[in-house]
Amino acid sequence: GQNIDQPTEMTATEGAIVQINCTYQTSGFNGLFWYQQHAGEAPTFLSYNVLDGLEEKGRFSSFLSRSKGYSYLLLKELQMKDSASYLCAVQDSNYQLIWGAGTKLIIKP
Amino acid sequence: GAVVSQHPSRVICKSGTSVKIECRSLDFQATTMFWYRQFPKKSLMLMATSNEGSKATYEQGVEKDKFLINHASLTLSTLTVTSAHPEDSSFYICSARDYGHSAGGYNEQFFGPGTRLTVL
Repeated sequence: GQNIDQPTEMTATEGAIVQINCTYQTSGFNGLFWYQQHAGEAPTFLSYNVLDGLEEKGRFSSFLSRSKGYSYLLLKELQMKDSASYLCAVQDSNYQLIWGAGTKLIIKP
Repeated sequence: GAVVSQHPSRVICKSGTSVKIECRSLDFQATTMFWYRQFPKKSLMLMATSNEGSKATYEQGVEKDKFLINHASLTLSTLTVTSAHPEDSSFYICSARDYGHSAGGYNEQFFGPGTRLTVL
């Protein structure tokens, strides 16, 4: 079966760095997405990885290792507005998105 | 980026009534739209894939006669929840792919703001 695993909840301090991990087992692989979702709102796109390595975009970076079925989202200089759920999703061989359950990130002052 | 709108944002209805939710791509043509539902603190669950001009493809376990999907144009898809019951109360989200806006060919999905359905 297809499976995406990520931690349910994480807590971090404002100004710090946090890494949210995602492991996956899917039928085929056509890229991995990270989305941010604030409570009661729709997800917004953060990043996409299809090749191994690190993609940096401002305070956010995303890493992929296809051989390990592993990705992480790195958030630097955390701000209170970063409190949200972070969803990992893998595009399978049919280009369908398989979603993780999301990681709720709580930022404390 | 591409914009997707959804209407209504919130609806409360009585049990047994039908509710229609609209999903529009505002600045691009979407040949494919997706309908998701999300329960509190749970991940997105794909309900169906809607292709313009053809029948929707429903995921296993989703009743096609209960959740009617119509993708009549390249900018509009509708989801109708027929004979709604309290267990249908959920957050419904649509998304669309905009191949024209995708850089690097990764075909990201753009999401509408969601519709909160409460069935009394």
